Amino acid sequence: DADVTQTPRNRITKTGKRIMLECSQTKGHDRMYWYRQDPGLGLRLIYYSFDVKDINKGEISDGYSVSRQAQAKFSLSLESAIPNQTALYFCATSDATSGLRYFGPGTRLTVT
Amino acid sequence: SQKIEQNSEALNIQEGKTATLTCNYTNYSPAYLQWYRQDPGRGPVFLLLIRENEKEKRKERLKVTFDTTLKQSLFHITASQPADSATYLCALVFDQAGTALIFGKGTTLSVSS
Repeated sequence: DADVTQTPRNRITKTGKRIMLECSQTKGHDRMYWYRQDPGLGLRLIYYSFDVKDINKGEISDGYSVSRQAQAKFSLSLESAIPNQTALYFCATSDATSGLRYFGPGTRLTVT
Repeated sequence: SQKIEQNSEALNIQEGKTATLTCNYTNYSPAYLQWYRQDPGRGPVFLLLIRENEKEKRKERLKVTFDTTLKQSLFHITASQPADSATYLCALVFDQAGTALIFGKGTTLSVSS
């Protein structure tokens, strides 16, 4: 089984809709991240969490919110989706010492 | 301004040759540097890490160098194979625990047989 899973894998939604992307991990890591990847722009950090009670904004948090429901679960919400949020979204984890990122398979989101 | 640049968006080489990918940065002082591989439609996968006090790291056909004077890391794949075709990302890490990290935009390598 995959260590980091994301649901859904693909999603098409309309402008103005609320959408939630979910991430679960079995690696036992405290640190979890949400990244967005766009062609030509690379991976950009949206939010990160170092434990259940710790939530931090990343480089591009506007228009997004997150919830850390448990050590193993970190969800990303778009309260009112807009077309320029069309992108590939990745969840990642890391342990507290190495900084290595372990990525999920990604969610391809299209906002029409 | 601070920048991290990977040499080119695409690199095409023939099977058996050595692929060399470059990661340059300006106005940063990273503690170490990581390299990842990303296949289409998948998440990046960690390959190698090199610290600021290390000149070179090797893993099978992969070699990474880190020159803090030139502010550059080189990533080499020797005896390249079509299966090495992928996008390769470098990441600068600014603290030992890996808390603060930024990714380059990646170089897409295509190895033809």
